[in-house]
This record gives sequence, structure tokens and C-alpha cells, in this order.
Amino acid sequence: EIVMTQSPATLSVSPGERATLSCRASQSVSSNLAWYQQKPGQAPRLLIYGASTRATGIPARFSGSGSGTEFTLTISSLQSEDFAVYYCQQYNNWPLSTFGQGTRLEIK
Amino acid sequence: QVQLQESGPGLVKPSETLSLTCAVSGYSITSGYYWGWIRQPPGKGLEWIGSIYHSGSTYYNPSLKSRVTISVDTSKNQFSLKLSSVTAADTAVYYCARRPQTGAAGGTFDIWGQGTMLTVSS
Repeated sequence: EIVMTQSPATLSVSPGERATLSCRASQSVSSNLAWYQQKPGQAPRLLIYGASTRATGIPARFSGSGSGTEFTLTISSLQSEDFAVYYCQQYNNWPLSTFGQGTRLEIK
Repeated sequence: QVQLQESGPGLVKPSETLSLTCAVSGYSITSGYYWGWIRQPPGKGLEWIGSIYHSGSTYYNPSLKSRVTISVDTSKNQFSLKLSSVTAADTAVYYCARRPQTGAAGGTFDIWGQGTMLTVSS
């Protein structure tokens, strides 16, 4: 099983600042990596796929990078609606899939 | 637009079988895509349970495979999850989701239902 490890568990950032979230895979997943945003009481929402492609309707302040085992989600100039939990997901060994444990982005 | 809606009993007794259904609207299941189940225990992360194609082809999380059955009813445009021998560890919000098979987003979960809470308790 490919294990996905996200860091940090919690990230405190002020509105208007940049947030950088990390995701590491236990083995290479190429660019088959997605990021999701989940707000309290809601289902996750797909933000990024293919490690760096924004999903439909996702603002440009969200960007993804990385390949292989190291990935980053960057949110530039944080807005109030961006404070949520973020999950990475690998889908390299289709049809199997695993998620990271999540990073909680909170207001500083 | 495509919408998914989970339904289920809300409460199941230990050792019994959990049954959930996901109704799909705005898109025909037979037109393509895989369809999947993901769960989230209270306060915890996401776990992929399994996926199904309209032809009936299924893939399951190896850790749950012995207890999981996912089926599809194309006449009702819905798919279902059965999880046997449940314990308190199966208490979670259960989501259904659409899963592209091909293209750049192939393998992701691009459209999700709102989720349904399932509690295992006597």
C-alpha cells in the first residue's frame, strides 16, 4: 500500500499570507496526485489533479507542484473561505487509491 | 448538473450488514465513469472503500475486501454498498463519488455526494 503523509498536521496562517502544505508518498506516484479541500460538514472538493492542474472553477491562488514522492499545495494570499482541511490523494496504482491524513489550515 | 445523494439507515447494530445507496441524477451511470465509496470516521481522514463500473466491474480496498460488496442498478441509475460484520470502527460518514477513469483527472473523485452518517451501536 502506498502511504501518503501530510505535513504539518495543523498550519496557522494569517489572512492575506501564503500557505504551503506538503504531501509525501512512500513510493513514487509520478504526477498522479490530487488535492481536496474539506470544510466542516461538507464533502471534500477536488482542487488539483495531475499534481498541478486546477479543477474547474478553482481560483488561481491555488497551485500545486511536485512529482514522484514530494508534493506541495500553495495557497497565495489566503482568503477567509480557504481555512479548511486539505487532503492529498494518490491514484498512481489505479484502481487502488489512498489519502493523506489531512492538514488543518487555521486562522492565525 | 450531476448530483449524487446517499441514503441509508443511520444506525446499524454490531455484526450486522450495512447497506447504503447512492442515487445519481443529471448523468446516466451507463455513459461512463467509475463510481465509488469513501468513508470518514468522526474527526479523522478519508478512506477509499471501493469503486464500480456500470458493467459491474468492481475494485475494493484490500483492507476491506473481505467484507465489502458494491453493486450497480442501471435501471434506477444508482449504486450500492454493503459492508458485512460491522463494528464500532465502521462508524463514519460515508460518501459516494464519481471517479473519472481516463483523462488528466482519471483516478480522482471529481463529484461527491453530501455524505451520510452511519453509526454502529447496539
